[in-house]
Amino acid sequence: GQQLNQSPQSMFIQEGEDVSMNCTSSSIFNTWLWYKQDPGEGPVLLIALYKAGELTSNGRLTAQFGITRKDSFLNISASIPSDVGIYFCAGLYMDSNYQLIWGAGTKLIIKP
Amino acid sequence: DAGVIQSPRHEVTEMGQEVTLRCKPISGHNSLFWYRQTMMRGLELLIYFNNNVPIDDSGMPEDRFSAKMPNASFSTLKIQPSEPRDSAVYFCASSFKGGQGQFFGPGTRLTVL
Repeated sequence: GQQLNQSPQSMFIQEGEDVSMNCTSSSIFNTWLWYKQDPGEGPVLLIALYKAGELTSNGRLTAQFGITRKDSFLNISASIPSDVGIYFCAGLYMDSNYQLIWGAGTKLIIKP
Repeated sequence: DAGVIQSPRHEVTEMGQEVTLRCKPISGHNSLFWYRQTMMRGLELLIYFNNNVPIDDSGMPEDRFSAKMPNASFSTLKIQPSEPRDSAVYFCASSFKGGQGQFFGPGTRLTVL
């Protein structure tokens, strides 16, 4: 079945550092979405990518839709304490117009 | 817009009881999704509605689960009878068009004792 490999599983960073995470798949996707989930809340959509090669920013966040359509990355620049949480990638693959395939999440922890 | 609204936020019930979770999608969205999230299995799609019609319910675990969407602004997920293994966080999400840009509600944390 369809799978997304999201890495890293967790990250321990210092405040102010840049963060990078990515998702890869053996299948082609036509949409990539990046979400952040805080404890006790639902996932919040950060960035949506609809076109291969697309690079989109949302404040300190930047995400790219890989040119092969099989991967995407999310970068966070100059991390701050409120960036802590779990980040999920989700992809809409070519054969479906609604079934999102989810990554397992990247847990971001900021070292005191 | 208030976003996707879910109620209750927390539900604690005993095994065998009926549980009803409620969702109000974002106005104007024509797609609605029910998900279940657990540590072991992550986010699982239970059912997808488009224009109030169930399109894919293959993720509904058993006949004990049922979902309805009587109109564009309301949906319910019912579990009858509930079992301890149903304990999870249940999310409702809506989107303007299918899988693109789904917006999630705050979830209902269900505990079945």
